[in-house]
Amino acid sequence: QSALTQPASVSGSPGQSITISCTGTTSDVGGYNYVSWYQQHPGKAPKLMIYDVSKWPSGVSSRFSGSKSGNTASLTVSGLQAEDEADYYCSSYTSSSTLVFGGGTKLTVL
Amino acid sequence: QVQLQESGPGLVKPSQTLSLTCTVSGASISSGSYFWSWIRQPAGKGLEWIGRLYTSGSTNYNPSLKSRVTISLDTSKNQLSLILSFMTAADTAVYYCARSFGHGETFDYWGQGTLVTVSS
Repeated sequence: QSALTQPASVSGSPGQSITISCTGTTSDVGGYNYVSWYQQHPGKAPKLMIYDVSKWPSGVSSRFSGSKSGNTASLTVSGLQAEDEADYYCSSYTSSSTLVFGGGTKLTVL
Repeated sequence: QVQLQESGPGLVKPSQTLSLTCTVSGASISSGSYFWSWIRQPAGKGLEWIGRLYTSGSTNYNPSLKSRVTISLDTSKNQLSLILSFMTAADTAVYYCARSFGHGETFDYWGQGTLVTVSS
């Protein structure tokens, strides 16, 4: 199974909004509404930010939102804050009953 | 509060077998509709899903690792284990255990991770 495709890096200034894309196939992202997004700060374990494409876990800011169109899922971070600077990973359930992650995107807050 | 803690050797020789344990507290690994997974991350690289075990005992593995991986539960100790055979330098990574729900793709609790280095 191939990793989902994410941009290597994105950046934005404080207060702005950015969007990170996650592209797969009809066998994963496009076939199911089981896409999750994780935030990972250096040296830390990933943290769940969005699940089932657009749902928020308890305690996660509504500045983070998710959506999907076809084979591409997206994570939008609005009102960028310095603490949002981190690596972000998407994941998806697959038609083989397995799981695949994206390659990761480094978000830089300028 | 659910907590997961990985443990195992930090150094493994090439061709040897890795054995890691994940001790779970705050939840029973044998109850509920949850999956228990292993995920790894080479230094400076992305996350790679290794495999998962459902509370019923059924397993799913990453096709690229399937021939070398076994994930199991020890319900008496509330532990999850990972066996990865024929280790090479490419297996050097931080190994995480995690709990997931839904179809297993939503990881809500993670361990802190343990670094495993493969070197002679």
